[in-house]
Amino acid sequence: GQNIDQPTEMTATEGAIVQINCTYQTSGFNGLFWYQQHAGEAPTFLSYNVLDGLEEKGRFSSFLSRSKGYSYLLLKELQMKDSASYLCAVRAGGSYIPTFGRGTSLIVHP
Amino acid sequence: DTGVSQDPRHKITKRGQNVTFRCDPISEHNRLYWYRQTLGQGPEFLTYFQNEAQLEKSRLLSDRFSAERPKGSFSTLEIQRTEQGDSAMYLCASSTTLAGKGDTQYFGPGTRLTVL
Repeated sequence: GQNIDQPTEMTATEGAIVQINCTYQTSGFNGLFWYQQHAGEAPTFLSYNVLDGLEEKGRFSSFLSRSKGYSYLLLKELQMKDSASYLCAVRAGGSYIPTFGRGTSLIVHP
Repeated sequence: DTGVSQDPRHKITKRGQNVTFRCDPISEHNRLYWYRQTLGQGPEFLTYFQNEAQLEKSRLLSDRFSAERPKGSFSTLEIQRTEQGDSAMYLCASSTTLAGKGDTQYFGPGTRLTVL
């Protein structure tokens, strides 16, 4: 099985930068996804990392270190609409099915 | 590309009744997944299809649950003899094996099931 760990909740100020960490323990790593999920809505895809390093996409960036079993999602210039749950999901062991963490609830306040 | 759609969006039923949910994936996607999500948790995998073949089922999928994808397009998830513990959001996702797409899953809006 896979063990995925994320902080339960984080708070940040509008306009600031926040980093959401995700650690995982797995064998046969085959990719890590980040999704955003607003309350009562479906998850929406943010990023996919399979190689080490930083992937930047607008205000959002995602980093992966396979040797450390570690990823983070970096959100810049925070907006109120960024208040949501951020889900880390890991695919491993030859399966196409990613296993999701419990998600990090981000609260952005003025 | 109209995205993944699910029907109904909400379902309230009495314990013991059967319910069926439908998912229409993104049209060119050959893989389709069903997940269940409860409050404060991430989505939990239930089952997955590649075209019309059901290739993997979770241990969470009891014998009261059945899923089909008869023509490799839309899929249905049926829950028989519903129990209060079945109350959850049921999410459908689809993906494609085309190169460069990373087999990324795109989710539908979900069906929220409440069993009274």
